[in-house]
Amino acid sequence: KAGVTQTPRYLIKTRGQQVTLSCSPISGHRSVSWYQQTPGQGLQFLFEYFSETQRNKGNFPGRFSGRQFSNSRSEMNVSTLELGDSALYLCASSLVGETAYEQYFGPGTRLTVT
Amino acid sequence: LAKTTQPISMDSYEGQEVNITCSHNNIATNDYITWYQQFPSQGPRFIIQGYKTKVTNEVASLFIPADRKSSTLSLPRVSLSDTAVYYCLVQAGTALIFGKGTTLSVSS
Repeated sequence: KAGVTQTPRYLIKTRGQQVTLSCSPISGHRSVSWYQQTPGQGLQFLFEYFSETQRNKGNFPGRFSGRQFSNSRSEMNVSTLELGDSALYLCASSLVGETAYEQYFGPGTRLTVT
Repeated sequence: LAKTTQPISMDSYEGQEVNITCSHNNIATNDYITWYQQFPSQGPRFIIQGYKTKVTNEVASLFIPADRKSSTLSLPRVSLSDTAVYYCLVQAGTALIFGKGTTLSVSS
C-alpha cells in the first residue's frame, strides 16, 4: 500500500507570495492533518480534516488554510508569506481520525521564504 | 492549555533499556497518548499509543500512571538504529500537542 505523498518536496517563495501544498493520504484514510516543523518551535499542529470538513484547528493565523476533497486528498494554503513561515510542512493521514491518533506521516514539503 | 515536557536528550549504549518520560497536564480522561519516532529528513513514524496502565507492542512499551499526568516510553535493548528523536503527542481540546522531542543517541 502506498504511503502518504506530499508535493512538492521543496519550494522557494518570496515574502508576500502565497503557496499551496498538496497531500495524498494512504488509500482508505479519511483523516488528514497538517503540521509545521521548525527547529525553534518543533512540531506544531495546524489543522485536521475529516470527510472534507475541518474538524480540529491549532493556533495559527488565518493566513494558513486548508481543504480536503472528496477523495480525501488535501491541500494547504499559506497566503502573504512571511520569513517565519519557512519550515517543513508535514501531512499525516489516519484511518478513522478519532482520539486514537495513529497517524502516518509523509516526507514533508520544505518551504523556504526569502 | 495542555503542555508537554520531555528531556531534550538522552544517551545510551546498545543492548540497554531506555525509558523516556513525557509530562503532560490537562489532558482529557478519554484522550490517548501517542509516541512517534523521527529520523532526519523523514516524517515522524508511529511507535505506540495508550490510554491507561500499560501497552506493549513488538517494538516498545508504554506506561501510563493512574493520574495520567505523565507517560513513559520504554525501548528494550536499543540498537544503533534507534538513534532518533522521540516525540510524545497528546490531545488538548481540538488541538494536538507534540512534545519538543527527545534526541536519543545510542552508542556501541
